[in-house]
Amino acid sequence: DVKVTQSSRYLVKRTGEKVFLECVQDMDHENMFWYRQDPGLGLRLIYFSYDVKMKEKGDIPEGYSVSREKKERFSLILESASTNQTSMYLCASIPPTGETSGNTIYFGEGSWLTVV
Amino acid sequence: AQTVTQSQPEMSVQEAETVTLSCTYDTSESDYYLFWYKQPPSRQMILVIRQEAYKQQNATENRFSVNFQKAAKSFSLKISDSQLGDAAMYFCAYRSPNTGNQFYFGTGTSLTVIP
Repeated sequence: DVKVTQSSRYLVKRTGEKVFLECVQDMDHENMFWYRQDPGLGLRLIYFSYDVKMKEKGDIPEGYSVSREKKERFSLILESASTNQTSMYLCASIPPTGETSGNTIYFGEGSWLTVV
Repeated sequence: AQTVTQSQPEMSVQEAETVTLSCTYDTSESDYYLFWYKQPPSRQMILVIRQEAYKQQNATENRFSVNFQKAAKSFSLKISDSQLGDAAMYFCAYRSPNTGNQFYFGTGTSLTVIP
């Protein structure tokens, strides 16, 4: 089974702090994603990456950056956390494009971030 | 970008009864994939069922089935013989093979199962 692991389930940070959310997948997937989930808004794409050192903005990239130094690891960075970034963050990955493109997306368990 | 709409923020069903969750989407593509995901209180997303747009036959997985109406761009999920464990948030999702493997999600429907 595919395993997507988010290192921190629950975090509490202060406004202005730099926050790192780490995500690791064990299936050699090229494509990785960071979503933010808020009540009534569903999942919104923050950033995604097709390969090492590649990154693309999603729908709500403001206030965030990402790092993909190794294929299995995709980190979300909040340079200066703000209270409106209090949310649940979901990391996900999908198999390479060459495989059946109907394959599902695999999610981590989520990271609850509270910014006070 | 494609949009996915779930017009029912909350639904409830009696245990052992049947419930249908609605989903519509907007696309100009002819080939795509549709999914329903379940997110229980543990927050781990679980794939419930998927449908390929080029297949006319509706997908089924045990007690879960879909009603896929391509012309109407509708993709509803039917849960039969509802169980307490079905209580969760359900997300409808669209995947295009043409837009960089992105998934587009609806806003979710929270399903309560009443004993």
